[in-house]
Amino acid sequence: DGGITQSPKYLFRKEGQNVTLSCEQNLNHDAMYWYRQDPGQGLRLIYYSQIVNDFQKGDIAEGYSVSREKKESFPLTVTSAQKNPTAFYLCASTPPSGDSNEQFFGPGTRLTVL
Amino acid sequence: GQNIDQPTEMTATEGAIVQINCTYQTSGFNGLFWYQQHAGEAPTFLSYNVLDGLEEKGRFSSFLSRSKGYSYLLLKELQMKDSASYLCAVLDSNYQLIWGAGTKLIIKP
Repeated sequence: DGGITQSPKYLFRKEGQNVTLSCEQNLNHDAMYWYRQDPGQGLRLIYYSQIVNDFQKGDIAEGYSVSREKKESFPLTVTSAQKNPTAFYLCASTPPSGDSNEQFFGPGTRLTVL
Repeated sequence: GQNIDQPTEMTATEGAIVQINCTYQTSGFNGLFWYQQHAGEAPTFLSYNVLDGLEEKGRFSSFLSRSKGYSYLLLKELQMKDSASYLCAVLDSNYQLIWGAGTKLIIKP
């Protein structure tokens, strides 16, 4: 079955530690996205990547970093510079240009920093 | 700036009809999406409108007026499982999705 996987579903970290969230897709999608969602708020774009080895900052990139070494993978690192990292993190991808603009989502990772 | 407005919360009765409104002001427009999101889960796609008018898909319909910057999602024959948040999102001129904060829909028996 094709889809997007994120692991783990729940993650706990101590303040000051970096943590990496995994996102893998086998849909052959070119573009991938990372969003953050806080209670009662919409999705806010952290980073996105339209092709391998290239990525762009979104609206709230400070304190985060990404890499896109393979088409299938787009990991997100939450660094100690992120002031308020506790949130629900969603990874998404879109089909190749011209097919559809729909974004397909992974199940999300809930990060709690203690 | 870019802005999408939706009501924060709505309540409806099982079996009834509810309309969730969305107004938007964005830099360009390449389509409007509605997604459903149950608590603690990822959003799932409901509809996509790029031309004016009504799109019907089973119990759910979505309407768009580009001149008014307005859309609504209509849910008929409400079921308890429809209790969720409904997110409106607009694809802007750069093909980036701008998200509303979502409308939490509470269904009562």
